Amino acid sequence: QKEVEQNSGPLSVPEGAIASLNCTYSDRGSQSFFWYRQYSGKSPELIMSIYSNGDKEDGRFTAQLNKASQYVSLLIRDSQPSDSATYLCAVKGGNQFYFGTGTSLTVIP
Amino acid sequence: NAGVTQTPKFRILKIGQSMTLQCAQDMNHNYMYWYRQDPGMGLKLIYYSVGAGITDKGEVPNGYNVSRSTTEDFPLRLELAAPSQTSVYFCASSYGQGTYEQYFGPGTRLTVT
Repeated sequence: QKEVEQNSGPLSVPEGAIASLNCTYSDRGSQSFFWYRQYSGKSPELIMSIYSNGDKEDGRFTAQLNKASQYVSLLIRDSQPSDSATYLCAVKGGNQFYFGTGTSLTVIP
Repeated sequence: NAGVTQTPKFRILKIGQSMTLQCAQDMNHNYMYWYRQDPGMGLKLIYYSVGAGITDKGEVPNGYNVSRSTTEDFPLRLELAAPSQTSVYFCASSYGQGTYEQYFGPGTRLTVT
């Protein structure tokens, strides 16, 4: 059973702060990693993908991957109330995808 | 582009009934997926397809069937609905061939009573 673990939260940060979301995975052979944002009652939407060790930045979002530690994280800089959502980590293993249960983030104005 | 579309948005089924959830994409993506999401849980892969005529089971395929006769469409069939199939169902697609970012449809909320 391939597992993807996330801290369910809730995680609360003040507006303008950095939110840090973490994810660990069990399949050492995984090569592709994704972060999705899901608002309540809506479908997941892609934030970022990361395939190589290190950091990948896109606007206010930075994904970090450490394959040796089987760890992927998402940093949200200058957090906004509109960032309040559940963040899902996904890992690709073969042709299948495994999702964590998500971390609920609340940004307090 | 409409992206990934799903119908219906909501459905209530009685135990033992059958239905088909429709999914279509207009992005010329090769890969398509069906997931279910139970409250407070992550997405679980039911079935996926890497191209027309090719389908395979995911983590939780029991009680479901799929077909992929065209690149655009990937319907999910529920036979003999059970209360355990009450969930939100999402269809997704990705280009494949090195590009695996998935794009999701709006979902179908299914209740089996």
